[in-house]
Amino acid sequence: GQNIDQPTEMTATEGAIVQINCTYQTSGFNGLFWYQQHAGEAPTFLSYNVLDGLEEKGRFSSFLSRSKWYSYLLLKELQMKDSASYLCAAPSRDSNYQLIWGAGTKLIIKP
Amino acid sequence: GAGVSQSPSNKVTEKGKDVELRCDPISGHTALYWYRQSLGQGLEFLIYFQGNSAPDKSGLPSDRFSAERTGGSVSTLTIQRTQQEDSAVYLCASSPHLLQQWGYTFGSGTRLTVV
Repeated sequence: GQNIDQPTEMTATEGAIVQINCTYQTSGFNGLFWYQQHAGEAPTFLSYNVLDGLEEKGRFSSFLSRSKWYSYLLLKELQMKDSASYLCAAPSRDSNYQLIWGAGTKLIIKP
Repeated sequence: GAGVSQSPSNKVTEKGKDVELRCDPISGHTALYWYRQSLGQGLEFLIYFQGNSAPDKSGLPSDRFSAERTGGSVSTLTIQRTQQEDSAVYLCASSPHLLQQWGYTFGSGTRLTVV
């Protein structure tokens, strides 16, 4: 099958750093996406990695290792508003137009 | 419009009734996607449109589900003879072209509850 695995829930402290991991088992790889979803709201695009390495966008960075089928989202200087679910997604082996999604990691930020 | 608009935002229906969900994508976006999100589950792909054409309908859970898109714009997802397992949030997304690297823009979804 095609799976995207990520932790169900993580807790971190305001101002700290947190790393959310994602492992995937889809072939025909063509990029890996991270989305943020606040409770009751639509997912919003955070990042897209197609090459190995770290891509930084302000407080958020995303890393990809294609040989290890692994990605992570790194959030720095955590703020209370970062409390949300973070979704990892990769194209299906059957279709580049169909994304396979992880169940999401619920990040809880404590003061 | 400025964003992807979905209606209704909430729908409660009785088991066995038909429902129609509407999605109005961002103007000019040729690709449109429907997903379903159940509590604690990842997003489940249902169908995508390139223009008015739906090349891949394999994600539709059963023949009770159908979707159409007209004028390369508005799309409707119809669920016939609703069942309790159809209860979920139905999300629509659009993008300028298929699977562009900067991702989709999602609507706020329709929360469907079948009682």
